[in-house]
Amino acid sequence: DIQMTQSPSSVSASVGDRVTITCRASQGISSWLAWYQQKPGKAPKLLIYAASSLQSGVPSRFSGSGSGTDFTLTISSLQPEDFATYYCQQANSFPHTFGQGTRLEIK
Amino acid sequence: EVQLLESGGGLVQPGGSLRLSCAASGFTFSSYAMSWVRQAPGKGLEWVSAISGSGGSTYYADSVKGRFTISRDNSKNTLYLQMNSLRAEDTAVYYCATRGNLLPRYWYFDLWGRGTLVTVSS
Repeated sequence: DIQMTQSPSSVSASVGDRVTITCRASQGISSWLAWYQQKPGKAPKLLIYAASSLQSGVPSRFSGSGSGTDFTLTISSLQPEDFATYYCQQANSFPHTFGQGTRLEIK
Repeated sequence: EVQLLESGGGLVQPGGSLRLSCAASGFTFSSYAMSWVRQAPGKGLEWVSAISGSGGSTYYADSVKGRFTISRDNSKNTLYLQMNSLRAEDTAVYYCATRGNLLPRYWYFDLWGRGTLVTVSS
């Protein structure tokens, strides 16, 4: 199975900051990667798919990059509604594993 | 309205069984691969199982292989997860999910249900 490792596990930042979250796959997954945002008590929300494609309706301050084994999610200017937990997921091969999550907290 | 609605969760003793359902509406169900994702209390997301639109292909996480069975009834627009030999570590909110507006080749999840809680405890 492919293991997905996110870093950091948690990060504190302020409104307006630029934040980058990293996801590393244990083997190459081409661009078969998605990023999700989850708020407490809610289902996850798809932000980015195919490593860099912004899902419809998602603000342009979110962007994704990478291919192979190393990927990043960048939030260019944090807004109050962005404080949440973020997960990466690979869809290269089954099982479609998730990363362990990155909690984005207000500084 | 496009939506997924899970049901069937509850309290079950270790070793017991439970069947979850996910009712789909607002889209052509048979054209969509479907998946189950779970989240233990205070923990991260765990991919559990997936099934193709026709039901002919199924996939499982190692943690549930041999104990859980995914299936679907396209005439009823409903996805199922039969869970047997349940363990305390299966306690979680179970979500059904699918690609939503994404192209069929994508197995990412743009449409999620609200989830149903399964608690395995004596």
